Amino acid sequence: GAVVSQHPSWVICKSGTSVKIECRSLDFQATTMFWYRQFPKQSLMLMATSNEGSKATYEQGVEKDKFLINHASLTLSTLTVTSAHPEDSSFYICSAREVRGYEQYFGPGTRLTVT
Amino acid sequence: AQSVTQLDSQVPVFEEAPVELRCNYSSSVSVYLFWYVQYPNQGLQLLLKYLSGSTLVESINGFEAEFNKSQTSFHLRKPSVHISDTAEYFCAVSDDRWNDKIIFGKGTRLHILP
Repeated sequence: GAVVSQHPSWVICKSGTSVKIECRSLDFQATTMFWYRQFPKQSLMLMATSNEGSKATYEQGVEKDKFLINHASLTLSTLTVTSAHPEDSSFYICSAREVRGYEQYFGPGTRLTVT
Repeated sequence: AQSVTQLDSQVPVFEEAPVELRCNYSSSVSVYLFWYVQYPNQGLQLLLKYLSGSTLVESINGFEAEFNKSQTSFHLRKPSVHISDTAEYFCAVSDDRWNDKIIFGKGTRLHILP
């Protein structure tokens, strides 16, 4: 149980375009989802926290107009990287926490390469 | 702000040998500590956690970690590793019991040598 999927697992896009990453909780309902970014040989850094039906809370230094997060249902959150640039190339990981739960369950990650 | 230091980026160890993965954290009034494991091509999984109580915590697959407040450490140990333990291990800390903000270390890759 408690499986989180991400789609796509790997994406290449051209500079200036937008790309959407999906995060789904497959066998539970998640009121809260988290988005992280991980650069090579660095730790995971929390980008934002989203609660179903409300606006996401972004961490300091994360541009909310560039990284659009939508958490429209209890099983799906999306991260859209708008006007992507090569410096946005990274590994993006989501996690989900179920209703009245404590533990975060992590997805396998999405590798974004911007050329 | 909380921070976590994992001193070793890679640890090679022979199969059936003991291993220790080191983790130090910055001190805080209240701290909750975690070890996550990431197997190849999979998401992070919670391996074990310290919230309160006994300072020695164990996982179901033979790992254990000890919370040492005086040394601000939470090292992960296993007396005898198996090839299936090959993975990346992340130490993490939160000062929030509901786990909203987890600060991760950079990870330690455990290589099991045959």
